[in-house]
Amino acid sequence: RKEVEQDPGPFNVPEGATVAFNCTYSNSASQSFFWYRQDCRKEPKLLMSVYSSGNEDGRFTAQLNRASQYISLLIRDSKLSDSATYLCVVNKVTGGYQKVTFGIGTKLQVIP
Amino acid sequence: NAGVTQTPKFQVLKTGQSMTLQCAQDMNHNSMYWYRQDPGMGLRLIYYSASEGTTDKGEVPNGYNVSRLNKREFSLRLESAAPSQTSVYFCASSFIGQKGTEAFFGQGTRLTVV
Repeated sequence: RKEVEQDPGPFNVPEGATVAFNCTYSNSASQSFFWYRQDCRKEPKLLMSVYSSGNEDGRFTAQLNRASQYISLLIRDSKLSDSATYLCVVNKVTGGYQKVTFGIGTKLQVIP
Repeated sequence: NAGVTQTPKFQVLKTGQSMTLQCAQDMNHNSMYWYRQDPGMGLRLIYYSASEGTTDKGEVPNGYNVSRLNKREFSLRLESAAPSQTSVYFCASSFIGQKGTEAFFGQGTRLTVV
C-alpha cells in the first residue's frame, strides 16, 4: 500500500463548478499535511496547509480527518486558472529528519 | 530572494556519461532533498540531507550520489547515466520545525539520457 494515495484523475469540470479531491495516508504518526499545486512542466508550490479544524483560503477549503487518515481539498467556483495537478503531502519529523511524502497528484482540468 | 536554485534546467546526456546537478538555497533551511518525477509515478525521493554533513538514501537511490557541500548546497551526481534516469529532477529544501514545514522546490532539471 502506498503511504499517500490519491486518485490521479483527470477531473474534468466546467467553470464555476465545485470539485473535491481526497487523499488517504497510511502512517498514523504523520504530523503535518499540505496541498501543493503543480502546473505543467513547473515545480510544485505550496497551496495551503491542512489542519484538523479545517481551513479556508478564498475558494479553497482543506480538511484533515486524523481518525480516518483522510485529507480533502474543496475548490469552489472553479476557474480556468485552477487547471493543474494537486499533490497531497504528508510530513513526519523523526530524529531531526523531516520525511516528506507526496501523493501521485490529482489532475484537474477546468473546461470553459 | 532566490529561494531554491537548480542548474542546469535542461540536459541531454549519452549513456555512460556523468554529470552533477547543482542545487542551492538561500533560506537557511537545514534539510534538503532530491526528487525525480516520472509520468504516472509522482515524486520519488532519491536522497535527502537532514543537516549539513549528513546524507541518507531515499526511495530510489541506485545510480546516484549526493554531496551536502555546506548548508546552502546539495548536489546530485550521476556517475554513469542510463536511459532509465531520463526524468525531471527537483531539488527541495525545508526548515525542520517541531512538526515539519512545507518544502520549497527549485524549478527542476529536465534530463534526457540517450
